[in-house]
Amino acid sequence: GAGVSQTPSNKVTEKGKYVELRCDPISGHTALYWYRQSLGQGPEFLIYFQGTGAADDSGLPNDRFFAVRPEGSVSTLKIQRTERGDSAVYLCASSLRTAGDTQYFGPGTRLTVL
Amino acid sequence: AQSVTQLDSHVSVSEGTPVLLRCNYSSSYSPSLFWYVQHPNKGLQLLLKYTSAATLVKGINGFEAEFKKSETSFHLTKPSAHMSDAAEYFCVVSGTWGTASKLTFGTGTRLQVTL
Repeated sequence: GAGVSQTPSNKVTEKGKYVELRCDPISGHTALYWYRQSLGQGPEFLIYFQGTGAADDSGLPNDRFFAVRPEGSVSTLKIQRTERGDSAVYLCASSLRTAGDTQYFGPGTRLTVL
Repeated sequence: AQSVTQLDSHVSVSEGTPVLLRCNYSSSYSPSLFWYVQHPNKGLQLLLKYTSAATLVKGINGFEAEFKKSETSFHLTKPSAHMSDAAEYFCVVSGTWGTASKLTFGTGTRLQVTL
């Protein structure tokens, strides 16, 4: 079946602009996660959704970052007033139910802030 | 808080020889531990998962890992490397209790396989 998909695969923007990154989880998966992977590093946790609600947003670096999942399926990560330090690969993952279930990752969106 | 340390940033082996990728963990409770692999321009793929059942865990593509509590280690091994094993490997620990959803990744080990 289809895996986790993310769009766009690449996004180039200018400092100060607003960007939206989209994640389509595996069908039927209720849990969705966002991670950020900077060059040469392992992914870092950003936020976890269980259904429509953010169950854990402790990894969001500041209030410029926000994520939604209004219908419990597709999620959008939103970044306001982008900074060059936001450049990274943003990864989305989903799991069948909740914590402890295997997380399946998408290919990521590479964000470059000029 | 839980964490993992991958002891080698880069490992190079010849095709057909054994692979050893080292990982130490730190956790206040019995952890869930994982190894993920990331091939260039592809998504992270789960190799194997330890969740307090058998201490020797077998994964895909001939990989296995052994959980050693006394050494706080979870090293990844494979008896015979193949060219297709060249990739970045991440040792991962999940949170505990209310943070079990949060995966904490190591910094990664790049495996190079030569002829």
